[in-house]
Amino acid sequence: KNQVEQSPQSLIILEGKNCTLQCNYTVSPFSNLRWYKQDTGRGPVSLTIMTFSENTKSNGRYTATLDADTKQSSLHITASQLSDSASYICVVRGGSNDYKLSFGAGTTVTVRA
Amino acid sequence: ETGVTQTPRHLVMGMTNKKSLKCEQHLGHNAMYWYKQSAKKPLELMFVYSLEERVENNSVPSRFSPECPNSSHLFLHLHTLQPEDSALYLCASSQGTGGTYEQYFGPGTRLTVT
Repeated sequence: KNQVEQSPQSLIILEGKNCTLQCNYTVSPFSNLRWYKQDTGRGPVSLTIMTFSENTKSNGRYTATLDADTKQSSLHITASQLSDSASYICVVRGGSNDYKLSFGAGTTVTVRA
Repeated sequence: ETGVTQTPRHLVMGMTNKKSLKCEQHLGHNAMYWYKQSAKKPLELMFVYSLEERVENNSVPSRFSPECPNSSHLFLHLHTLQPEDSALYLCASSQGTGGTYEQYFGPGTRLTVT
């Protein structure tokens, strides 16, 4: 069973609207969690990284939250733009010396004009 | 651009062919990775090289053979592949293999096995 589950699998929103993506994980121990954005035909690019002690982190219109107690994270996109259409992948690193990452399957976001 | 390049971007090969994927990083990183990305599935780690030494071979079939001649270049040699090997193959690099080191991904090679 995958240790990182993302929901929804896909969503469609109108330009200018907000949306929230969810990530639940069972990885233990926990080192950090990243959200990546993957545009079609490109590799993933990191948006945010959060460690155990961080609850919220923003990168422009992207805001990530982390609840390490419930092992949940969310990515909120504010005032969506057409360029936000992409796959968003939640990635969790276990032990701090562990090079292995646990990847979610991603949420595909489509922003329509 | 992320500083990681991959060639070719697209590859169609028959099951009896031999081909190679190339990855080059211009970031001065010490670790390089091969991942397989299939539709609707999480990325699967295939191989990890740290300082040109292979540190992970994640139960990958022998028809995939990696090569890391130096810290900037990584190859994936392919032979007698199966149709289920069709996927996006991503290369990544990072300064180190642990902690908060970010992995920087290339654009991938879209492989189709016919």
